[in-house]
Amino acid sequence: GAGVSQTPSNKVTEKGKYVELRCDPISGHTALYWYRQSLGQGPEFLIYFQGTGAADDSGLPNDRFFAVRPEGSVSTLKIQRTERGDSAVYLCASSFAENTEAFFGQGTRLTVV
Amino acid sequence: DQQVKQNSPSLSVQEGRISILNCDYTNSMFDYFLWYKKYPAEGPTFLISISSIKDKNEDGRFTVFLNKSAKHLSLHIVPSQPGDSAVYFCAASEDGNKLVFGAGTILRVKS
Repeated sequence: GAGVSQTPSNKVTEKGKYVELRCDPISGHTALYWYRQSLGQGPEFLIYFQGTGAADDSGLPNDRFFAVRPEGSVSTLKIQRTERGDSAVYLCASSFAENTEAFFGQGTRLTVV
Repeated sequence: DQQVKQNSPSLSVQEGRISILNCDYTNSMFDYFLWYKKYPAEGPTFLISISSIKDKNEDGRFTVFLNKSAKHLSLHIVPSQPGDSAVYFCAASEDGNKLVFGAGTILRVKS
């Protein structure tokens, strides 16, 4: 596809469960970012990949959150033992290279009940 | 501590008039600033950016002004159109990668 694709678009899970959120970046984009947006707030940085490696994971809130990008393209954000406070829209973005414009996907709305 | 602040939660403007959205920041290490626009159920869309070496950048109806001494930037939309109605986010970066966003301003352009 032409843009950043995120699946699923909506995910409802029970407290304590494990979830995976997927991001397909724009083809050829080497940089990939995950953000989280809670209601009434702007997106908050979680983690940034350059290629396969996490260049900056300083925004991950705790060790229940983990992200991978094994082949330098698709990325998966993994959340263990979900809590109600994890409910938010998780946004993925990609850019052609570092320090260039980032294009966002439509987000995955995660609801933990 | 919010490093990027958008103090106006909402703004209502008549079609054809100017919309001015404001943003303040506290981190003097920020050197790259962006504005994103967001419609409901969509991801943010890049609008315009400015580097700290400039004080103005213009793209069509959109102009961003940067006042480094005041740590303030603004987005001007002239003339405003009903399709501009959306949430506007200001963002800033030290390294061009990790973006710090404001809470957003809802712009409503009335026809």
